[in-house]
Amino acid sequence: AQKVTQAQTEISVVEKEDVTLDCVYETRDTTYYLFWYKQPPSGELVFLIRRNSFDEQNEISGRYSWNFQKSTSSFNFTITASQVVDSAVYFCALSPPAPSGNTPLVFGKGTRLSVIA
Amino acid sequence: GAVVSQHPSRVICKSGTSVKIECRSLDFQATTMFWYRQFPKQSLMLMATSNEGSKATYEQGVEKDKFLINHASLTLSTLTVTSAHPEDSSFYICSASGQKTTTMNTEAFFGQGTRLTVV
Repeated sequence: AQKVTQAQTEISVVEKEDVTLDCVYETRDTTYYLFWYKQPPSGELVFLIRRNSFDEQNEISGRYSWNFQKSTSSFNFTITASQVVDSAVYFCALSPPAPSGNTPLVFGKGTRLSVIA
Repeated sequence: GAVVSQHPSRVICKSGTSVKIECRSLDFQATTMFWYRQFPKQSLMLMATSNEGSKATYEQGVEKDKFLINHASLTLSTLTVTSAHPEDSSFYICSASGQKTTTMNTEAFFGQGTRLTVV
């Protein structure tokens, strides 16, 4: 069975601080995809990143960076110099690869990030 | 890029009535659509999977007679909440998958969600 654990339920930081959101996953698949989504108060899911299990390179996109550690089954997300607009719920998710069939995502419980001005 | 449109974004209905939510893939053929439900401050929980032209597969604990899913075409799936009750109040969100999702390096495209309030 697949499982995603986001141990941090809520995090509050002061603007300009760096913050890391943790994600630990469980799967028996050797090939899988990991995702991060942002859900602002309006509710829609904003796609942030998809990572293939064979690609352990860390990725940086502006103030966002992701650290994929297959050895510890973790896919952590760091926001550098946080801003108030980063306030949202962030979900980590997992799925088997698309070629095996269209499968739904398994979501973690989410981490609510509040950035205080 | 590919877009999934979900309508309505918000709906308030009286207890006992039915509500239909539409999920459309605007520029690709969605062979599979997923319906999720999210209660306040909770995660997204899969309700059902629908493949075009066949009956939906429901997750354990989801009443198929209460949550009717129709996926009659490759661009449209509907979720009808029948005889809605206040406990059905939730955020419902669809996602669509198809060949384009694979080529665009993502798994699925999500709709904007529908916030249902049953009074």
